[in-house]
Amino acid sequence: SAVISQKPSRDICQRGTSLTIQCQVDSQVTMMFWYRQQPGQSLTLIATANQGSEATYESGFVIDKFPISRPNLTFSTLTVSNMSPEDSSIYLCSSGLAGAAWGEQYFGPGTRLTVT
Amino acid sequence: SQQGEEDPQALSIQEGENATMNCSYKTSINNLQWYRQNSGRGLVHLILIRSNEREKHSGRLRVTLDTSKKSSSLLITASRAADTASYFCATAADRGSTLGRLYFGRGTQLTVWP
Repeated sequence: SAVISQKPSRDICQRGTSLTIQCQVDSQVTMMFWYRQQPGQSLTLIATANQGSEATYESGFVIDKFPISRPNLTFSTLTVSNMSPEDSSIYLCSSGLAGAAWGEQYFGPGTRLTVT
Repeated sequence: SQQGEEDPQALSIQEGENATMNCSYKTSINNLQWYRQNSGRGLVHLILIRSNEREKHSGRLRVTLDTSKKSSSLLITASRAADTASYFCATAADRGSTLGRLYFGRGTQLTVWP
């Protein structure tokens, strides 16, 4: 299975500021996914990041609030912009692997964000 | 929405007992997966069952899939305190425009008491 790392593992930020979360995969992957998990809730997909093209955002998420970069096949960043306390969540990245089953994903350890 | 629903939402058992969690979903799928999440951490992939499979085993895990009822179950046998975690089912729709995305259920919080 892939090793996926995220930085930072946690952060406490002030409202109105922005935080960029990094996701690194130890092998080249086509798709990377960014999820949000609000306290006590399930995972909600924010966007799908495909290398060399614009990210595809899910309903309710916009690029101005959650800009994503995907500069190469092993790396992606998610920025949470102009944060408010409602953005306090765990943010997770995931990816599939070459040869894996359709939709099979492996997750990073998550970034726990608290906005004060 | 394709989001799945797990039940129960919470399950509390003693070590050595079996734990059964159920998942229902709404649309046709390519496969269904189960993940475990320890408190506030990333998700760990447990097992994947394809739409043409009915049962799959992995160690102490047994997964069943009934596509006619659009439901799946995860059985953990001889549970241990270390199995305490949240368990999520996730469905992958058929190939096409879905980009391989997953649709997650709300999860079952399993607590195993020593």
